[in-house]
Amino acid sequence: GNSVTQMEGPVTLSEEAFLTINCTYTATGYPSLFWYVQYPGEGLQLLLKATKADDKGSNKGFEATYRKETTSFHLEKGSVQVSDSAVYFCALSKAGNTGKLIFGQGTTLQVKP
Amino acid sequence: DTAVSQTPKYLVTQMGNDKSIKCEQNLGHDTMYWYKQDSKKFLKIMFSYNNKELIINETVPNRFSPKSPDKAHLNLHINSLELGDSAVYFCASSQYEAGSNEKLFFGSGTQLSVL
Repeated sequence: GNSVTQMEGPVTLSEEAFLTINCTYTATGYPSLFWYVQYPGEGLQLLLKATKADDKGSNKGFEATYRKETTSFHLEKGSVQVSDSAVYFCALSKAGNTGKLIFGQGTTLQVKP
Repeated sequence: DTAVSQTPKYLVTQMGNDKSIKCEQNLGHDTMYWYKQDSKKFLKIMFSYNNKELIINETVPNRFSPKSPDKAHLNLHINSLELGDSAVYFCASSQYEAGSNEKLFFGSGTQLSVL
């Protein structure tokens, strides 16, 4: 079946450090891939997405590249801020577009000043 | 204006009770969802409605019954609550566009605690 696996958290970084959160997926066909972010006490928000192989999604300094050969969609940011502290979810959506997202287990990021 | 609003934000109740969570979206979207997030932050879809019609029904106990009176509202009623129902329930909405994968807009969640 379709699934998403993320690296275990929490990830604790100092401000201005480089961030990588790994995400790999299992799916038939060509899914679209997403990163959602959940700030404390809030619902999830779409951070970025990529809909085909080699696409790069980017937003707010975050980037992720759709790598079909390694079935990965790792999230990166060059310099994190305290305000980036949140839970990050990788997700996929199958073609056919029922709107059903399959989420990874979430990775908590803590950024310390 | 809150795009997707759900009430209540917190719900504490006894085992065996029946409770409802309400959700409303003012985005004009035609699809709404209920997701469940467990204590380990794992998020899983429960139901999806498109224009008041049920289109996704994951393997959820039939104690859970969604109701969509119109496309802007999707309520979740839970009968005979069990300890394992304790979780955060998120409502979400999206607008279907052919050939693309829509962006979901989430509410801020309802934290249900069953004692």
